[in-house]
Order: sequence, then structure tokens, then C-alpha cells
Amino acid sequence: GENVEQHPSTLSVQEGDSAVIKCTYSDSASNYFPWYKQELGKRPQLIIDIRSNVGEKKDQRIAVTLNKTAKHFSLHITETQPEDSAVYFCAASTNSGYALNFGKGTSLLVTP
Amino acid sequence: KAGVTQTPRYLIKTRGQQVTLSCSPISGHRSVSWYQQTPGQGLQFLFEYFSETQRNKGNFPGRFSGRQFSNSRSEMNVSTLELGDSALYLCASSLAGGQNEQFFGPGTRLTVL
Repeated sequence: GENVEQHPSTLSVQEGDSAVIKCTYSDSASNYFPWYKQELGKRPQLIIDIRSNVGEKKDQRIAVTLNKTAKHFSLHITETQPEDSAVYFCAASTNSGYALNFGKGTSLLVTP
Repeated sequence: KAGVTQTPRYLIKTRGQQVTLSCSPISGHRSVSWYQQTPGQGLQFLFEYFSETQRNKGNFPGRFSGRQFSNSRSEMNVSTLELGDSALYLCASSLAGGQNEQFFGPGTRLTVL
């Protein structure tokens, strides 16, 4: 079946450092890869996404890279701030294109 | 536009009972997906509905079912509750499904005793 693996499960960085979260997927038909941020007690919210025809996408301090050949994609956060502390989920569209399979999440802690 | 809403926000049930959860999508969104969130397991996909049709189903037992109404509101039902069904159930709406931004509701926290 379709599977998305996400690493690491926890990540602690100091304010100002960079954070990288990596995901791999198994379904070669996946062509949409969003990242969601979930703060404690809140609902997940989309922070950035990438489609299979693009290798990299940036939005201010956040970037996502995609390697379709290797079936992996990564989230990069630069100049981290304490408000970046949250759980981050990667996802990949299912082979039907109608739904998303999520990774198990990365708990990011940014310490001042 | 109003965001995705879910009712009830909290539920406590006992084993063997059944439960129905409701999700109202953003106006104009025709796709509703349901997810089960538990600590350490992330978001596990349950099913997706579009225009009253279930288009995709995750790997959950038949005790988990859902439906969508003509106004795009969706319900999910869990019958014969088990302790392991305790979780946060999130629904998400989007314009057309998995390749569009999904907007999540606040979730329903289900506790099975």
C-alpha cells in the first residue's frame, strides 16, 4: 500500500539554526506533496506544497525540495524562531489523487 | 468564509457503543476527507468523499463508515467502539480532493472507556 515515512520524529535546534525534515514515499503515482504545521492544541495548517513538475520551492524562510527519482522530499526551515516550534507533517497524494497519505510527524522544538 | 467546523468537539463513549461525528466544510468545497490522529501515528486517512461519493478509503475496518450529503456536509460513524478508537478525528475540506490545499477542522476528541 501507499506509505510515507518521515524522519526525524523529534528535532531540537537553537534559535537561528536551520532545521531539515525528510520524507520518503512509496507510490510512484504521487504527484503532490504538501507540508502541514500543527501547533499544540490547534488544527494542521498548510505551510508549503510542491508538485512533481517542480524540484524546489521557497517561501521566505521555508523551502521544500523534491527528488522524484529517489522518491523523497524535504522541508528546510532557515533562521528558526521559537514560534516555529510545532509538529510538522509531510504528505503525498494517493495514486487516485483524491486523498493524502501523511507521515507520522516531526516534533520541532526551537530553543531561544 | 467560515472555516471547517466539526461537532461535537468532545465525546466520551463506552466500548460497544456507536458514535456519529459531523463535519461542515468551507462553502464551495466539495471534497471532505477524514483522518484519525493518535500520538505517534500521525494522521491516518480514513476516507474521502466528493459530491456524495466515496472515492477513496484507507485501511480501517468496516466499523468505520461515512457519508456525504448534497450540501457537502459529511458524517462519519464508528460502530462497536473499541478502546483503540480513542483519538482525535479530523476532517478536512478542499475544492476537489487530494491535490488541493486541505483545510482542517478543529477535530472531535473521542474517548472510549
